[in-house]
Amino acid sequence: AQSVSQHNHHVILSEAASLELGCNYSYGGTVNLFWYVQYPGQHLQLLLKYFSGDPLVKGIKGFEAEFIKSKFSFNLRKPSVQWSDTAEYFCAVREDSNYQLIWGAGTKLIIKP
Amino acid sequence: EAGVAQSPRYKIIEKRQSVAFWCNPISGHATLYWYQQILGQGPKLLIQFQNNGVVDDSQLPKDRFSAERLKGVDSTLKIQPAKLEDSAVYLCASSFTSGKVAKNIQYFGAGTRLSVL
Repeated sequence: AQSVSQHNHHVILSEAASLELGCNYSYGGTVNLFWYVQYPGQHLQLLLKYFSGDPLVKGIKGFEAEFIKSKFSFNLRKPSVQWSDTAEYFCAVREDSNYQLIWGAGTKLIIKP
Repeated sequence: EAGVAQSPRYKIIEKRQSVAFWCNPISGHATLYWYQQILGQGPKLLIQFQNNGVVDDSQLPKDRFSAERLKGVDSTLKIQPAKLEDSAVYLCASSFTSGKVAKNIQYFGAGTRLSVL
């Protein structure tokens, strides 16, 4: 069965630090890839997505992610984090021919002011 | 555009009691999903509807969970009887169905946090 791994459950950074959150998946075929974010007290919202084309995807709020097919990875990055980036980040993967999203366990990011 | 609406936001019940959650998807979204999110884990799909038909309910514990979407819009998820391990956040999501599965983005409601005592 397909699985999604997010390696860090908790990350604590200071403002202006660079961020990289790891996401690896197990499916070998064509995939659609997503990062969702959940700010404290709010609903899950889409941060960015990859369907095809340029493997470097830019999302909202300065986030980007790079799809590396050979590594089955879709890591999330931001060059300089802000206190308002404190949230939980979820990676999700879907086989191209399937509706179902498979989710990682999430990474809680805390930014110290 | 109004988002996915869920109610209630919080519910506390005792084990063996029953509970129901309600979801109103984004207008025009034919596909509706119910997820269970246990603390420290990612969401797990319970059931997926396309209009008023079930697409996937393979992970729905059918001995105690049921869901319906009778008119293809609102949906309810019921648990009867509840167990301690049902304590979780229940998320509803919806998506616009196009010919290409790849273009279906899921939009989430705020969720219902259930505590079973």
